[in-house]
Amino acid sequence: AQKITQTQPGMFVQEKEAVTLDCTYDTSDPSYGLFWYKQPSSGEMIFLIYQGSYDQQNATEGRYSLNFQKARKSANLVISASQLGDSAMYFCAILLGGYSGAGSYQLTFGKGTKLSVIP
Amino acid sequence: DGGITQSPKYLFRKEGQNVTLSCEQNLNHDAMYWYRQDPGQGLRLIYYSQIVNDFQKGDIAEGYSVSREKKESFPLTVTSAQKNPTAFYLCASSTWTLSGDEKLFFGSGTQLSVL
Repeated sequence: AQKITQTQPGMFVQEKEAVTLDCTYDTSDPSYGLFWYKQPSSGEMIFLIYQGSYDQQNATEGRYSLNFQKARKSANLVISASQLGDSAMYFCAILLGGYSGAGSYQLTFGKGTKLSVIP
Repeated sequence: DGGITQSPKYLFRKEGQNVTLSCEQNLNHDAMYWYRQDPGQGLRLIYYSQIVNDFQKGDIAEGYSVSREKKESFPLTVTSAQKNPTAFYLCASSTWTLSGDEKLFFGSGTQLSVL
């Protein structure tokens, strides 16, 4: 079964500094997608960035980039120039590719990392 | 504006009572999902539905039931058989295929507590 591991329960970063949130995954499926979501205290999950297993380039979305190291099975999220509004829970998730016939497109989430940005 | 609406935001359940959480979307998405989130934990899939009148169990379906009579609506019932229902419940939707630029859109969640 696929598995997502986020080893950092909590992280602190100074405002305007960059921070890396770790994510490792375990799957033998060659086709998969990796997602990062942000969950502020309001509870809503906000999509940040996506990386496909066959993508040659690391994904970037504004201040967010994904350090994808396929051989190491890691997909770390890098947030540049941290802002106070970045304080939130961050979740990494994996989606296995391929249509199983049962229509089972399921995201498996890690336990999350709580990021606190210090003024 | 398109989005997913969950109601109520807070819900309380008495012992032996069934309660229903509402989820409505106007994104014209085929697929809808229910997730449960416990403190310090990630999201776990309860049920999902790819099309109307069809749904599948996720990892933790015991003690829950769903229906999908309309494309826009996917209510979740927490039955009395669910012995530990206190959690934050998130509803999500997506297009039929979840890959590439497609992604889950989430509602703002319902916090369920037991009295």
